[in-house]
Amino acid sequence: QKEVEQDPGPLSVPEGAIVSLNCTYSNSAFQYFMWYRQYSRKGPELLMYTYSSGNKEDGRFTAQVDKSSKYISLFIRDSQPSDSATYLCAMSTGGGNKLTFGTGTQLKVEL
Amino acid sequence: GAVVSQHPSRVICKSGTSVKIECRSLDFQATTMFWYRQFPKQSLMLMATSNEGSKATYEQGVEKDKFLINHASLTLSTLTVTSAHPEDSSFYICSARDRRGADTQYFGPGTRLTVL
Repeated sequence: QKEVEQDPGPLSVPEGAIVSLNCTYSNSAFQYFMWYRQYSRKGPELLMYTYSSGNKEDGRFTAQVDKSSKYISLFIRDSQPSDSATYLCAMSTGGGNKLTFGTGTQLKVEL
Repeated sequence: GAVVSQHPSRVICKSGTSVKIECRSLDFQATTMFWYRQFPKQSLMLMATSNEGSKATYEQGVEKDKFLINHASLTLSTLTVTSAHPEDSSFYICSARDRRGADTQYFGPGTRLTVL
């Protein structure tokens, strides 16, 4: 079993839809949770960063962390074609330790 | 803020040559930089962790003599692929962690290496 599980998709939604992306993990020591967006042939771009459980909102993006269920989510409201990319969840135990990534979910937002 | 650059963005070389890739944090100091490799449609694979002024820590299965890492300053780390072979062709991405704290990593744009 992988430490971090993420559905690879592809996920296809119409423009304007609410998108829900999720990851589950097994290591209860993870405390820092991140979502990255990666366009084809580009480096990942940090979207959201959350410490411990709770919600965080930034514009159209909302990140949720439920440590009791070992489950994190990223919601994208009013999705746009420009949101089409691969979304990677990542997490760490802190102290500058390495990130553990999910496999990434490929999202396509269609006109 | 938190911009990381990589150079070159793309390199094509002959088998047997060595290739150096630079990773720079442009607007922050990075005590730690990371080097990843990514194959098409796959996630990032951590190769090594590089701390300024000390030897890099390599992940299991990554040959340290093949992939030489130098982190000479708080803003620059280099990865040298020595005696490159076609199987080394990949997308190499670096990331940097801001020394001021938090556990986020900021990624460079990546370097596409093709070995003929």
